[in-house]
Amino acid sequence: SAVISQKPSRDICQRGTSLTIQCQVDSQVTMMFWYRQQPGQSLTLIATANQGSEATYESGFVIDKFPISRPNLTFSTLTVSNMSPEDSSIYLCSVLLGTGGADTQYFGPGTRLTVL
Amino acid sequence: AQSVAQPEDQVNVAEGNPLTVKCTYSVSGNPYLFWYVQYPNRGLQFLLKYITGDNLVKGSYGFEAEFNKSQTSFHLKKPSALVSDSALYYCAVREGSGGYQKVTFGIGTKLQVIP
Repeated sequence: SAVISQKPSRDICQRGTSLTIQCQVDSQVTMMFWYRQQPGQSLTLIATANQGSEATYESGFVIDKFPISRPNLTFSTLTVSNMSPEDSSIYLCSVLLGTGGADTQYFGPGTRLTVL
Repeated sequence: AQSVAQPEDQVNVAEGNPLTVKCTYSVSGNPYLFWYVQYPNRGLQFLLKYITGDNLVKGSYGFEAEFNKSQTSFHLKKPSALVSDSALYYCAVREGSGGYQKVTFGIGTKLQVIP
């Protein structure tokens, strides 16, 4: 497995502001993912972030709202832009480890965001 | 399109009794199946996975899961529940071919182990 850390662990933000969430992994990984987990709901994939290429966004998520950086194989950031209360959620970073088809996703501890 | 269903929002079990958390899936090809656990205020932790081979898969913390192809199920089990097992459990599936495919998560089942 991998040790995945996220900063901040939680934050309370005002409407209209932006927050950048950092994800650090203790090993080099090709594929990283950002998920959102809204209160009482399952995980929703926001985007896949591979190093050296543009992030691939899922339906309903756009780069202007959720810009992602992936400068190297151990780090990524997700920015939640122009926040509204509907963005209140847990944001989770995830990495893919393994080879030969037996790969598994591992998750960071999450960032709990509250937008007032 | 692939999907996974967890038919029970909550499962209650007495400490020391066996527990089962149900999961059924739908995928067009061969399934890769996963179970994750989420403790309060923490991220998801990987428990176990089925890729191929034995239908009974053993994972962390004494959990195991049985893959049943005919019933398209992958139920999570533990012979003797602990109070510390109380958490949210997520089943996940992806198609196991053609390179990496997106993982689909179930809605989660809350397990409550009663002392």
